[in-house]
Order: sequence, then structure tokens, then C-alpha cells
Amino acid sequence: KQEVTQIPAALSVPEGENLVLNCSFTDSAIYNLQWFRQDPGKGLTSLLLIQSSQREQTSGRLNASLDKSSGRSTLYIAASQPGDSATYLCAVGGGSGNTGKLIFGQGTTLQVKP
Amino acid sequence: GAVVSQHPSWVICKSGTSVKIECRSLDFQATTMFWYRQFPKQSLMLMATSNEGSKATYEQGVEKDKFLINHASLTLSTLTVTSAHPEDSSFYICSARSLLAGVLNEQFFGPGTRLTVL
Repeated sequence: KQEVTQIPAALSVPEGENLVLNCSFTDSAIYNLQWFRQDPGKGLTSLLLIQSSQREQTSGRLNASLDKSSGRSTLYIAASQPGDSATYLCAVGGGSGNTGKLIFGQGTTLQVKP
Repeated sequence: GAVVSQHPSWVICKSGTSVKIECRSLDFQATTMFWYRQFPKQSLMLMATSNEGSKATYEQGVEKDKFLINHASLTLSTLTVTSAHPEDSSFYICSARSLLAGVLNEQFFGPGTRLTVL
């Protein structure tokens, strides 16, 4: 059974700092991995999606990497801003059959202080 | 980008009543929709997978008679919480997937529905 773990659970940094959020998964047979942002009481905003054949994806100040063999992904946020404060969730897409099912980690709650 | 809406955004109901939540894909056809629930300070847990025109597939531990799912068209899926009880209070989020949405297998999430059962 796939399990997804995110470390740390919470993170507080001063504005401008570069930071890394970690995501690990137990079954390396994944279809894809997706990083989301969730603001309090809101739905999910997709940030980056990495297919299993890819090693990384970049969007603006965000860079996500994927190492399937070790069961790890990282989300790198450059030059953090107060507006980046939110909960970041990683989700792993199931391997066989392309069912589309996503298994979510518990999330990392980020606070960027001005 | 692809947009998914949910209605209502929040609902308060009495114990024993039924509540229907709608999930719509606004600018694409969703062959598959997913329903999740999220308890406070917890992550999303998949409840069921809904494919247009067929019966939903429920995850282990989710009562299909309590959480009725209908995916009658390529743009609409509904979740009905029947005979709701306080323990059903949660944040319900849907997502939609289309092979035509630009990236294979990417899911787009709705804004969520906050259900409170008194």
C-alpha cells in the first residue's frame, strides 16, 4: 500500500529565504507526482506535475524534482515571499492502470514572515 | 487553465437530512471525477472514483449507500450525503481529469464544500 510522507510538517522562514520541502513515498511504481498548494479553507491549486519519466519540472520560483528509485521528491521555493504562506501537499499518482488515483501526503504548512 | 467548480461552497444541515454537492468541469469534459474528504488539519482522503455513465468505485471503508455518487454527464458529478450525521461534517473536494486537459492524467480540483451537520 502506497504511503506518502512529507517533512517537515510545518516550517517558518523569513522572507527571501530559499527553502526545500520534502516528500517521500514507499512504492516507486508511480505514474506521476503532483505538488499542490492549499490556502486555509480553500481547495487545491496545482503547482507542478512530474511524470514518472521526468526528473524535474520548473515554474517560476518553483522547482520540483523526482527520484523514483529512492522514492523522493522535493519542492524548491526560491526567494520566498509572504504570499507563499500556505500548506503544500504532494500527491502520488498510482502506477498500474492509470486509474488517476492520488495518494496525498499530510502536507507541509509554510509560513513566510515579512 | 481548466476550471472545476463546486456548489454549494458551504452548507449547514440538521442531522438526518440529505445533502447534495455538485462538481462541474467548466471548460473541459471530465471523463473521470474524484471525490475526497478532508478533516481539519488532515490531508485529503479519496472516497470514490466516478466515471461518466458508469457506477462509482468506492474506496475501502466508504459506505456507498451513504455517499451516493452520480456522474450523469461529462461535466457534472454529484455527491449526496444521505442521512447526514455530525461525524460526516468535513470538507469535501472534487477533482476532474480529462485526457484533453493538456497534460495526461493531470487532475484539477474544485474549491471544496464545507459541510456542517448539527
